[in-house]
Amino acid sequence: AQSVSQHNHHVILSEAASLELGCNYSYGGTVNLFWYVQYPGQHLQLLLKYFSGDPLVKGIKGFEAEFIKSKFSFNLRKPSVQWSDTAEYFCAVNLFQAGTALIFGKGTTLSVSS
Amino acid sequence: GAGVSQTPSNKVTEKGKYVELRCDPISGHTALYWYRQSLGQGPEFLIYFQGTGAADDSGLPNDRFFAVRPEGSVSTLKIQRTERGDSAVYLCASSLTSGGYNEQFFGPGTRLTVL
Repeated sequence: AQSVSQHNHHVILSEAASLELGCNYSYGGTVNLFWYVQYPGQHLQLLLKYFSGDPLVKGIKGFEAEFIKSKFSFNLRKPSVQWSDTAEYFCAVNLFQAGTALIFGKGTTLSVSS
Repeated sequence: GAGVSQTPSNKVTEKGKYVELRCDPISGHTALYWYRQSLGQGPEFLIYFQGTGAADDSGLPNDRFFAVRPEGSVSTLKIQRTERGDSAVYLCASSLTSGGYNEQFFGPGTRLTVL
């Protein structure tokens, strides 16, 4: 069965530090890739997505992610985090065109201290 | 416009009871999804509807769980004979249509606690 692994359970950073959150998926076919964010007290919202084309995608709030097909990875990055980035981050995939159910990783909690 | 809404926001029930959780999707969205999120886990797919029909119910854990969407908009997730292990946040999402390219917009969830 398809699965998504997020390597970091809890990441603690100081403001202005760089961020990279790992995400790997297990599926040999074509997938669509997503990062969702959940700020404290808010609902899940889409941060960025990759369907095809340029493997480096940019999302909201200065986040970007790189799809590396050979590594089955879709890591999330931000060069300089802010206190307001404190949230839980979820990587998700669904199968190209076919099923639309999202398969989520367990999430990474990011805590940014000011 | 309004986002996905879910009611109630919190539901506490006793083991063995029946519960209904409601989801009101974004107007015009034909696809609707239910997920369950247990503590420390990511959301786990339960079922999705395209229009009124359940297009994929492979995530429903057992026959105590059932969902309907009779008019193609509001959906109700029904859980019979609740068990303590059913305690979780139940999330609803909707998208314009089904298909992997469509962004799913999530509601705030219903936190179900089974005592």
